[in-house]
Amino acid sequence: IELTQSPATLSLSPGERATLSCRASQSVSTNNLSWYQHKPGQAPRLLIYATSTRATGTPARFSGSGSGTDFTLTISSLQPEDFAVYYCQHDFFGGGTKVEIK
Amino acid sequence: QVQLVQSGAEVKKPGASVKVSCKASGYTFTNYGISWVRQAPGQGLEWMGWISGNNDKPGYSQKLQGRVTLTTDTSTSTAYMELRSLRSDDTAVYYCARDWNYVRDIWGQGTRVTVS
Repeated sequence: IELTQSPATLSLSPGERATLSCRASQSVSTNNLSWYQHKPGQAPRLLIYATSTRATGTPARFSGSGSGTDFTLTISSLQPEDFAVYYCQHDFFGGGTKVEIK
Repeated sequence: QVQLVQSGAEVKKPGASVKVSCKASGYTFTNYGISWVRQAPGQGLEWMGWISGNNDKPGYSQKLQGRVTLTTDTSTSTAYMELRSLRSDDTAVYYCARDWNYVRDIWGQGTRVTVS
C-alpha cells in the first residue's frame, strides 16, 4: 500500500490552521494509520495513531480524521514548535509534508 | 522510563557490513516488536523491516530483502540490524522503534552510518 502526502510543502504563519492530506493506494484499516512529527536532528515522534487517537503528550490542537483511502492531519493553530515534517504511515511511510514558516 | 538506546555512529567502506544495536529498557521486551527505519540525507523515512521481540517472524522491505537481517537477544533486551554489501546510498541515519500493531511509539536516538 502506497501513501501519497500533499502538499509536499505548506507555508503558513503561526496561529494559522494547517491541513495535511494522506491518500492511500487502496483502502486501509483506520486502526493502522498513524502520523509522526520529525524535526532535524531528532527522532520521529508519534503524534496520532488509529487515525484519530492522540498519543501521550500530543497537544489537543493536533487532530486526525479519515477513512478508506483519505486521511487528514489538522493542526488548529500553528505554534512555533510545530514547524517540522509530518509523515503518515501504515506499514510504509508517506513521502512527508514539510510545514514551514511563511 | 521506556527507552531505546542505539549504538554509535559508524563509517564503513563500500561492500562492507554494519550491525547496529538497539537496547530496550523500561518495558517487557518480548511483548512488542521492533521496526527499523532509515532516513538518507534529504530524503523521507524508509521502513526497513520488523521483528517480534521473541526473535521470530522477521519481515523485510522488498527493496532491502537479501541484504538486511534483523535479530533480537531476549536475554539482554537488544535488537540488532545488520546491513550487508553497503553502498553509498545506504548512508543514512538508522532508527529502531518499538512497534505494536504498526504503531511506532518509542524511538531510539538514531545511528548515523556513513558509507565512503
